[in-house]
Amino acid sequence: SQKIEQNSEALNIQEGKTATLTCNYTNYSPAYLQWYRQDPGRGPVFLLLIRENEKEKRKERLKVTFDTTLKQSLFHITASQPADSATYLCALDSGGYQKVTFGTGTKLQVIP
Amino acid sequence: EAQVTQNPRYLITVTGKKLTVTCSQNMNHEYMSWYRQDPGLGLRQIYYSMNVEVTDKGDVPEGYKVSRKEKRNFPLILESPSPNQTSLYFCASGRRVDEQYFGPGTRLTVT
Repeated sequence: SQKIEQNSEALNIQEGKTATLTCNYTNYSPAYLQWYRQDPGRGPVFLLLIRENEKEKRKERLKVTFDTTLKQSLFHITASQPADSATYLCALDSGGYQKVTFGTGTKLQVIP
Repeated sequence: EAQVTQNPRYLITVTGKKLTVTCSQNMNHEYMSWYRQDPGLGLRQIYYSMNVEVTDKGDVPEGYKVSRKEKRNFPLILESPSPNQTSLYFCASGRRVDEQYFGPGTRLTVT
């Protein structure tokens, strides 16, 4: 079955810096990879999706890369703000386009 | 307002007492799914549905049932809850599986 590892449980960075979160996966190549944001006590919120034939995707201050050779996705938040503090989850299809596997998340804290 | 709603939001029950958690979406989405979230294990998919009367198992379907009789509703049924089903449950919907909108969550405690 698909296995996902997000590089760290927690990441602290200074306001204004770029936060980089890592998502590594094993076993096979997914058709897509997604990133979600989750605030305490709330459901995840979809941020970005990148497909297997795409190398990079951007949305405002967010950037996602997808390296199918390394089996890795990087999620960047540029010019980070305290409001970006949250847990970020990566997810990908897990053998059947409609099945989804989520990573355990990285808790990001942006320090003013 | 476009949303996914779940009821109840909090539930404490006893082992073996059947319960249903409702999920409803008003976005006319074909795809709906249930997840449970546990510390250290992340979000795990229980069941999903591609459309009315079409459901399939996710990674952790044991002890759960679902039905999709109408497009907007996707209830999660626990026929005989056990303490290991104590968890935070999320329902989600989307036009496709790759962009899901999540509900607010249902915190279930089984004693």
